[in-house]
Amino acid sequence: GQNIDQPTEMTATEGAIVQINCTYQTSGFNGLFWYQQHAGEAPTFLSYNVLDGLEEKGRFSSFLSRSKGYSYLLLKELQMKDSASYLCAVEVLTGGGNKLTFGTGTQLKVEL
Amino acid sequence: DTEVTQTPKHLVMGMTNKKSLKCEQHMGHRAMYWYKQKAKKPPELMFVYSYEKLSINESVPSRFSPECPNSSLLNLHLHALQPEDSALYLCASSQDLADNEQFFGPGTRLTVL
Repeated sequence: GQNIDQPTEMTATEGAIVQINCTYQTSGFNGLFWYQQHAGEAPTFLSYNVLDGLEEKGRFSSFLSRSKGYSYLLLKELQMKDSASYLCAVEVLTGGGNKLTFGTGTQLKVEL
Repeated sequence: DTEVTQTPKHLVMGMTNKKSLKCEQHMGHRAMYWYKQKAKKPPELMFVYSYEKLSINESVPSRFSPECPNSSLLNLHLHALQPEDSALYLCASSQDLADNEQFFGPGTRLTVL
């Protein structure tokens, strides 16, 4: 099976930088996704890492270390609209194809 | 069109009812997914269809019956549900099973009385 851990909640200040960590233990690992989900809405794709290293996309960056089973999502220049749940999702290879298993999510609150 | 649509947005049903959830995408994606999400929990995979064939069934009870009538449509037929089945049901699609960037629909909020 898979074991995916993220902090439950984080609070940060508008304009600041926040790092959300995700650790995982799984077999058949193929890659790691980060999704953003606002309350009552569908998850939206933020990033995908398959190789070790940092992927940067605007204010959002994501890092992966396959050997350590570790990823983080870095959000810069925080805005109030960034208040949401951030879901780490591990992609695993199965006989039926690739599938995603989501972590429990980190609820980020951005304050003034 | 880069959207996944789902109908209805909300559904209330009794335990003896039969209802269906519908999902549609016109992005040419060949993989489609059903997830169940309880409040303050992550989405949990239920079914995966690839090229209109059931590829993954995550040991979902038979009271949930998926159907993929064509490459753009995915249905979830519901029968004899339990109150604990109340949740947000999310549909998603991706280019194919090898491309796991999934686009999610807005979900159907289901309440079973």
